[in-house]
Amino acid sequence: GAVVSQHPSRVICKSGTSVKIECRSLDFQATTMFWYRQFPKQSLMLMATSNEGSKATYEQGVEKDKFLINHASLTLSTLTVTSAHPEDSSFYICSALRPAGGIQYFGAGTRLSVL
Amino acid sequence: DQQVKQNSPSLSVQEGRISILNCDYTNSMFDYFLWYKKYPAEGPTFLISISSIKDKNEDGRFTVFLNKSAKHLSLHIVPSQPGDSAVYFCAALLNFGNEKLTFGTGTRLTIIP
Repeated sequence: GAVVSQHPSRVICKSGTSVKIECRSLDFQATTMFWYRQFPKQSLMLMATSNEGSKATYEQGVEKDKFLINHASLTLSTLTVTSAHPEDSSFYICSALRPAGGIQYFGAGTRLSVL
Repeated sequence: DQQVKQNSPSLSVQEGRISILNCDYTNSMFDYFLWYKKYPAEGPTFLISISSIKDKNEDGRFTVFLNKSAKHLSLHIVPSQPGDSAVYFCAALLNFGNEKLTFGTGTRLTIIP
């Protein structure tokens, strides 16, 4: 079964609204989670590293005020796309880093469509 | 700049034969490599990994080969099964403590019954 749960799997929203995506680690405590974005026929691009109890670390070119990340517990990280616009439409996917072994386990992803 | 490249976007293989997926990288500082498998509407699933100090790692039907001098790795699946049809991503870690993965663009493998 899945070790990382991501919700919702699909969101359709109007331009200007904010969308929150949840990522839960089910089988282990994850001090580190990651958020990726995937465009069609492209690789997964790391957006930010989410650290429990501290601020997220954003990759170059990713607007931290646009993509708010909260990692309030060892099993939950959230990504909020604020004031979403059509160009934010994409496939967002999270992962949780299992402490022993260093393997990332991925959620099923969220397809965001902004009208 | 794509540091991890999978030059074949797709590959078709007859069931029972060997599937070979290739991956090239440019950064010689990568010291850990992973292969992930992804079905539609699901997240990537970890398959197999290899440390840069090794040249081969085997796990059941899956074997990963690493050629550091050529900055090339490959995933061999033998025998190929219909359930292996998926998109395969190779990924690289800059250093084990860093944990940030750099992904290739993926190769869609189709196993023909």
